[in-house]
Amino acid sequence: EAGVTQSPTHLIKTRGQQATLRCSPISGHTSVYWYQQALGLGLQFLLWYDEGEERNRGNFPPRFSGRQFPNYSSELNVNALELEDSALYLCASSFSELTLHEQYFGPGTRLTVT
Amino acid sequence: AQSVAQPEDQVNVAEGNPLTVKCTYSVSGNPYLFWYVQYPNRGLQFLLKYITGDNLVKGSYGFEAEFNKSQTSFHLKKPSALVSDSALYFCAAGYSSASKIIFGSGTRLSIRP
Repeated sequence: EAGVTQSPTHLIKTRGQQATLRCSPISGHTSVYWYQQALGLGLQFLLWYDEGEERNRGNFPPRFSGRQFPNYSSELNVNALELEDSALYLCASSFSELTLHEQYFGPGTRLTVT
Repeated sequence: AQSVAQPEDQVNVAEGNPLTVKCTYSVSGNPYLFWYVQYPNRGLQFLLKYITGDNLVKGSYGFEAEFNKSQTSFHLKKPSALVSDSALYFCAAGYSSASKIIFGSGTRLSIRP
């Protein structure tokens, strides 16, 4: 069974640009989650999508947005990049009913903003 | 406010000794509790979960965790540590009406040979 995949592996952008990160969930999973893992700050919840709809978002500004496609893959967009957006962005998937099911994580996209 | 606390940033254990990584939680209602492990430059991997039933939960790689409702804790344990257990460990919690999982700040486990 293929795991959660993320692309690209690394992304280098300059301040003010836009970044697009992509995630493909495990087959059969309808929920996709995005997390930001900045150095020394643990795992911060960004967004949760299920069945194509945004179910919840964390305490991040509106320039962090995303969507989920009919095939359940997902995209995270970060507009007007700031230096502090540099982090590892992790995508995870699970069956629906989030709190009952474990999440399966992708390897992450490391975003560097210069 | 809902929260998960991992009071130790780092735990150091000699190989072969038992290990404990601590986690306490504060969530509404009955909690659903998880442990994940993150190896260097990798995503998180699920270790074990507690939803209901026996308080002692067994998971991957010989790890187990004990749910203690009175102490609101879910400590991760292993009887005999391996050097390969060295990694970053995250505790997480949710509850039935939640729409997100709350993660702790992580504990770095270092096993010396």
